Amino acid sequence: AQSVSQHNHHVILSEAASLELGCNYSYGGTVNLFWYVQYPGQHLQLLLKYFSGDPLVKGIKGFEAEFIKSKFSFNLRKPSVQWSDTAEYFCAVNAPSGYSTLTFGKGTMLLVSP
Amino acid sequence: GAVVSQHPSRVICKSGTSVKIECRSLDFQATTMFWYRQFPKQSLMLMATSNEGSKATYEQGVEKDKFLINHASLTLSTLTVTSAHPEDSSFYICSARDRSTDTQYFGPGTRLTVL
Repeated sequence: AQSVSQHNHHVILSEAASLELGCNYSYGGTVNLFWYVQYPGQHLQLLLKYFSGDPLVKGIKGFEAEFIKSKFSFNLRKPSVQWSDTAEYFCAVNAPSGYSTLTFGKGTMLLVSP
Repeated sequence: GAVVSQHPSRVICKSGTSVKIECRSLDFQATTMFWYRQFPKQSLMLMATSNEGSKATYEQGVEKDKFLINHASLTLSTLTVTSAHPEDSSFYICSARDRSTDTQYFGPGTRLTVL
């Protein structure tokens, strides 16, 4: 069975600070990897995804993530955060077959202070 | 981008009644939809996988007779919480899988409160 681990439950940063949120997964086969974001009072939105190819993927709003297969990691990064990035971030994986059921991490709440 | 809607966004009902929640994919066809519960300050818990024209697949511990799922068309899945109890109060979220991109898109959720 797949599992996803997000290292930090809460992260507090000042505006303009750099961000890196950790995500590790456990699965023996090929996976698709996702980061979703949930802004306060809003629904989950896809931030970026990795299926294959260049392991450095760029998403919306200046976010990027790097897939490191040897480390089973898919960390999310942003060079300079803004107050509007305050949200909860979820890492998720699925196996690219069958129903593509997503397995989510527990989420990381990011609070950016102005 | 792909849009998924849910209706209603909020519902309050009496204990013992049934509540139906609709999930629609607005601009793509979804042969597979998913139903989740999200508890406060926790991640999403997958309840069931809904496939158009066939029976839903329920996760372990989810009562299929209590949470009835119907996926009658390529754009609509419904979740009916039967004989609701206060412990069923939660945030229910659906997602729809866009086969062309193998990506799930999420609805805005339905806040259910059972009195």
